Formats: sequence, structure tokens, C-alpha cells
Amino acid sequence: NAGVTQTPKFRILKIGQSMTLQCTQDMNHNYMYWYRQDPGMGLKLIYYSVGAGITDKGEVPNGYNVSRSTTEDFPLRLELAAPSQTSVYFCASSGGTSGPLSYEQYFGPGTRLTVT
Amino acid sequence: QQQVKQSPQSLIVQKGGISIINCAYENTAFDYFPWYQQFPGKGPALLIAIRPDVSEKKEGRFTISFNKSAKQFSLHIMDSQPGDSATYFCAATLVSRRALTFGSGTRLQVQP
Repeated sequence: NAGVTQTPKFRILKIGQSMTLQCTQDMNHNYMYWYRQDPGMGLKLIYYSVGAGITDKGEVPNGYNVSRSTTEDFPLRLELAAPSQTSVYFCASSGGTSGPLSYEQYFGPGTRLTVT
Repeated sequence: QQQVKQSPQSLIVQKGGISIINCAYENTAFDYFPWYQQFPGKGPALLIAIRPDVSEKKEGRFTISFNKSAKQFSLHIMDSQPGDSATYFCAATLVSRRALTFGSGTRLQVQP
């Protein structure tokens, strides 16, 4: 099992460019999440999905879009990149429908994005 | 609005000592309280978690103490080791959303 994989690991964007951060999980988890982590801060939820075709906004969704066409993939799209989007982006997933194990989130290694 | 407040921001402990990190939450609807450990360049990994129906949970050297009336919970690391040096995040979540609300993190350094 690879768990949660993210690509790319690093990326530098110019202001106004767009890109897609890829996230794939092989644990057949229904729930998937995107967080961003700014230096010295905790993680903040951008978007999440409770299953294929269903997505919802988190705390900081502005400037981002997501889609969930399959259980495995949950890409994050940045449109018109801005310096405020410089951050480390983590994708996570969790499985099950009930019980404490269903809350455990597995995180990918992150994508470090710089917008200049 | 910061729903989970974590302290201290950084902590230095001698090897063999006890590390204590505290968190306070605001939303009484939270019903799952995990602690995550993060090493530099890695994603967070679940360390230990507790539900609000118990006051303490212990796994090896790691213990969560939970005070529902005070809306506080803490992580205790007994016999701290240099390998425990990492950033620790408390978090909380709602049953309905599953998504985590994180504290701001504590950078722990255990000196040999």
C-alpha cells in the first residue's frame, strides 16, 4: 500500500499562473481532504469530500477548486495563483462509516508551493 | 476564529523528562480529539486520540488527559527521548464533517 501520494513535491509558480495538485489514495477511503500549512501554523482545511461526486468547502476555499470523479483521486486546482497561496499543501484521507477508526486521517507527504 | 488554542508554541525538555502540551477548544460539538506528530518535511501522523466520554487515554509513553467541563485536553510524553523531537498538533473534529480543526502546533526539542 502506498497510502496517500501527492505530486508534485515542489513547485514554483508565477503570479497569475494556474496548476493542479494531484492526490491519490489506495486505501479505498471515502473521505478526502485538502489542507494548507503556513510557516509556524497549524493546518487549515481548504476543501473536503465525503465520496465520489461530493465536495464541500472548508475554512479557506477562496482561490481553489476541487473535483472528485473517483474514490481514489482528489485533485486541487489553483486558478490565478497569488503570493498568499505560498504554502505547503497536504492531502489526507479517512475511511469507514462509523467508529473511532473512521476518524483517523492519513496524510500525504505534502506539496511545497511558492508563488512569486 | 481560532477554535482550538494550543500552548506552548515551543518546548525544550531534557531527555527522560516529561513533556506537556495543552489545548483548549471552544465548540462543545467536537467529539474526537487527536494529537498528530509531524517531522520536518513530512505529513502529520496520528499519535493518539480520545473521545470525550473518557478522561484519560494512555498508549505507551503518551497520555491524553481530557477535561470536558473545562474544554481542555493535554498531551503528556513521559520519559521524553531525542527521537520525540518534532512538532505536535492537537486537533478536534465534528462527527458530521470528519475534517480536523488544528491547533497552531508545538515544536518540541528533547535535549540529550
